[in-house]
Amino acid sequence: GNSVTQMEGPVTLSEEAFLTINCTYTATGYPSLFWYVQYPGEGLQLLLKATKADDKGSNKGFEATYRKETTSFHLEKGSVQVSDSAVYFCALYQAGTALIFGKGTTLSVSS
Amino acid sequence: GAVVSQHPSRVICKSGTSVKIECRSLDFQATTMFWYRQFPKQSLMLMATSNEGSKATYEQGVEKDKFLINHASLTLSTLTVTSAHPEDSSFYICSARVPRDRGLKETQYFGPGTRLLVL
Repeated sequence: GNSVTQMEGPVTLSEEAFLTINCTYTATGYPSLFWYVQYPGEGLQLLLKATKADDKGSNKGFEATYRKETTSFHLEKGSVQVSDSAVYFCALYQAGTALIFGKGTTLSVSS
Repeated sequence: GAVVSQHPSRVICKSGTSVKIECRSLDFQATTMFWYRQFPKQSLMLMATSNEGSKATYEQGVEKDKFLINHASLTLSTLTVTSAHPEDSSFYICSARVPRDRGLKETQYFGPGTRLLVL
């Protein structure tokens, strides 16, 4: 079945450092891929998405490119801020199903 | 966007009691809603898919008699944790599938979650 694998955290960075959170997926066909963010005490929020190969999703300085050849959707940000501290979930969607989530990666950014 | 609400946001109950959690789509009709459970520092695990007017489809390993789901209207799904025990303590999140004619970018919108603590 479909699945999503994310790098395990926690990831601890200093402010303005470069961030990469790896995500790979297994799916039949061509799923849509997402990154969700969950800030402390809050619900899930969509961060960015990509619906087909080579698409790049971007939002709030975060980017991720849908790489079909490597079945990956790694999240990157060039310069993280303290306010980016949260749990990040990679997710996959195919029509007719529910979102399938990775285990989440906790990011902690210190000033 | 689309808004999904959950009520209550937090609940503390005694072991053996039942707790009902409501999930509402506020500005759209959702024929399909999903219930997830999130353990501390773990991913969201899909518990069941709730379809309006029909029985819910439960994921493997989820006890349907313990986690009762009712999707009686196009804007409301409820999850009832029956005879709750401390191991049921968790963060429960619902989501609603957005109809295609809404033209929204997301396929599912999530509620803010309900934190259940069973003493």
